[in-house]
Amino acid sequence: DTAVSQTPKYLVTQMGNDKSIKCEQNLGHDTMYWYKQDSKKFLKIMFSYNNKELIINETVPNRFSPKSPDKAHLNLHINSLELGDSAVYFCASSQGTGGLSPLHFGNGTRLTVT
Amino acid sequence: KQEVTQIPAALSVPEGENLVLNCSFTDSAIYNLQWFRQDPGKGLTSLLLIQSSQREQTSGRLNASLDKSSGRSTLYIAASQPGDSATYLCAVPESETKIIFGKGTRLHILP
Repeated sequence: DTAVSQTPKYLVTQMGNDKSIKCEQNLGHDTMYWYKQDSKKFLKIMFSYNNKELIINETVPNRFSPKSPDKAHLNLHINSLELGDSAVYFCASSQGTGGLSPLHFGNGTRLTVT
Repeated sequence: KQEVTQIPAALSVPEGENLVLNCSFTDSAIYNLQWFRQDPGKGLTSLLLIQSSQREQTSGRLNASLDKSSGRSTLYIAASQPGDSATYLCAVPESETKIIFGKGTRLHILP
């Protein structure tokens, strides 16, 4: 009965590879997000989708491409992985836009690029 | 541009003590402020959300206050327990859709 679930939990890959992280929420929320937490634990928003429409796209390299097949899913595809992409990636959701209602987070995907 | 600062970065207190975590933000025109808890290897759990019209919110042993005019919020934890050990983050919206997080305070409760 996990509210926001993301897979995989750990991802170890080599530079130059392409990988995807999946996220699903069963809360009935209409907004989903991807956040990146770096080695210093700083949490920064990457993307936000509301009802499958992109509403936030921070200054993220275009190697990162989010895809929302429906409002319960938001996947993150990363092309040509670089060492600096190593971080923990969190998926989150909220009812309405996150500025007005609580955020619910998944447990994160720890990406290590070697 | 909204900036969120949390002081101290780390805190250790003996079990049973009351403690206060601080959060400050630069732009006082906020919709709300949220406090989260993050356990190692886990995601963030929302603890309290204070609307801009409120001055405080309480949940069990937790009490969060908000002073918009001074750009400050505090999270008060009463009768601390070892299970309270975690990183506590505050977050405020920069807009309706974008939330800015502080870097957190790493709390360790000594048994």
